[in-house]
Amino acid sequence: RKEVEQDPGPFNVPEGATVAFNCTYSNSASQSFFWYRQDCRKEPKLLMSVYSSGNEDGRFTAQLNRASQYISLLIRDSKLSDSATYLCVVIANFGNEKLTFGTGTRLTIIP
Amino acid sequence: NAGVMQNPRHLVRRRGQEARLRCSPMKGHSHVYWYRQLPEEGLKFMVYLQKENIIDESGMPKERFSAEFPKEGPSILRIQQVVRGDSAAYFCASSPLMSARPGNTIYFGEGSWLTVV
Repeated sequence: RKEVEQDPGPFNVPEGATVAFNCTYSNSASQSFFWYRQDCRKEPKLLMSVYSSGNEDGRFTAQLNRASQYISLLIRDSKLSDSATYLCVVIANFGNEKLTFGTGTRLTIIP
Repeated sequence: NAGVMQNPRHLVRRRGQEARLRCSPMKGHSHVYWYRQLPEEGLKFMVYLQKENIIDESGMPKERFSAEFPKEGPSILRIQQVVRGDSAAYFCASSPLMSARPGNTIYFGEGSWLTVV
């Protein structure tokens, strides 16, 4: 089983729609959780951290369910500029920032 | 305030040659991480270094790959006798010595794209 699993997509979504991505992780001792965004042939960039209490940043909402080992990302009122690959990322251990990446979910927003 | 600098951005090597990829961390950062992204795949951890020390190399292939982060100068990822399967994007990331929020203070370079022909 992969350490971090995501649906690779692609998700083709009309502009203005709401889209949700899910991710599961295998290591129950994992400490920190993130969503990254990666544009084609670019480096990954941190989109937001994910907390059990849930967190929101504008149109983006992230949620962590530790019991189910499940992470979600919701994008509301999607924009063309949201087209990218979204990477679910986990840090397993305290003491370093070694990131474990999912393979990513590709999102295309259609005009 | 320069970010993480990687060079070369693009590198073409023939099979059997050596590839050297360099990474200068952000100012004030003493931790360096190397990741590899094969075509159509996610990033995979390779190695974690601090100055003059390899902390975790659990993701490094057993042969042909090595990494260093000397006291002076950039971190270097070295691939000897490259094969076609080494063609990938290699990303370097850096973080400061102590982070109150692990994961939120790690920054990636723009990557080095290696093509083996």
